[in-house]
Amino acid sequence: GDSVTQMEGPVTLSEEAFLTINCTYTATGYPSLFWYVQYPGEGLQLLLKATKADDKGSNKGFEATYRKETTSFHLEKGSVQVSDSAVYFCALSNAGGTSYGKLTFGQGTILTVHP
Amino acid sequence: DARVTQTPRHKVTEMGQEVTMRCQPILGHNTVFWYRQTMMQGLELLAYFRNRAPLDDSGMPKDRFSAEMPDATLATLKIQPSEPRDSAVYFCASGLTFNTEAFFGQGTRLTVV
Repeated sequence: GDSVTQMEGPVTLSEEAFLTINCTYTATGYPSLFWYVQYPGEGLQLLLKATKADDKGSNKGFEATYRKETTSFHLEKGSVQVSDSAVYFCALSNAGGTSYGKLTFGQGTILTVHP
Repeated sequence: DARVTQTPRHKVTEMGQEVTMRCQPILGHNTVFWYRQTMMQGLELLAYFRNRAPLDDSGMPKDRFSAEMPDATLATLKIQPSEPRDSAVYFCASGLTFNTEAFFGQGTRLTVV
């Protein structure tokens, strides 16, 4: 079945540092890929998405590129802020095979940014 | 501002009691997901529906959990009888169609004592 693997956390950075959170996936066909963010006490919010190979999703300074050749969708930000501290989830949605549009999540990566 | 609404936001109940969680998906969305989040297991998919029909509920303990969509504006998740290991945050999410993003509710924090 489909699966998503994220880099182990937690990740701790100083403000203005560069962020990378790795995400790789296993899926048949052509899934759509997403990054979600969860702030304390809240539900998950969509951060960015990409629906086909080589698409780049971007939002609030975050970027991720859909790499089909390496089955990856790594999240990057050039300069993090304290307000970026949250849990980040990589996810895929696959309409093909037996997935029927199931939304599959990675295990989440906790990011803490210090002033 | 369209959003997914979940009730109640918090629920404390005694072991053995029935618990019902409700979700109002965004109007016009035809896919509904139920997830459970715990520190140990992370985010687990319990069940999901398309056009009110269950597509996959293999993530649910069948003997005590049930999920339904009585109509397009309401999804329910029931636990009977509840157990302490069911303590978690339960999220509902809805989406417009396959391969698009899902929008999450604020969650129901369930504590079974």
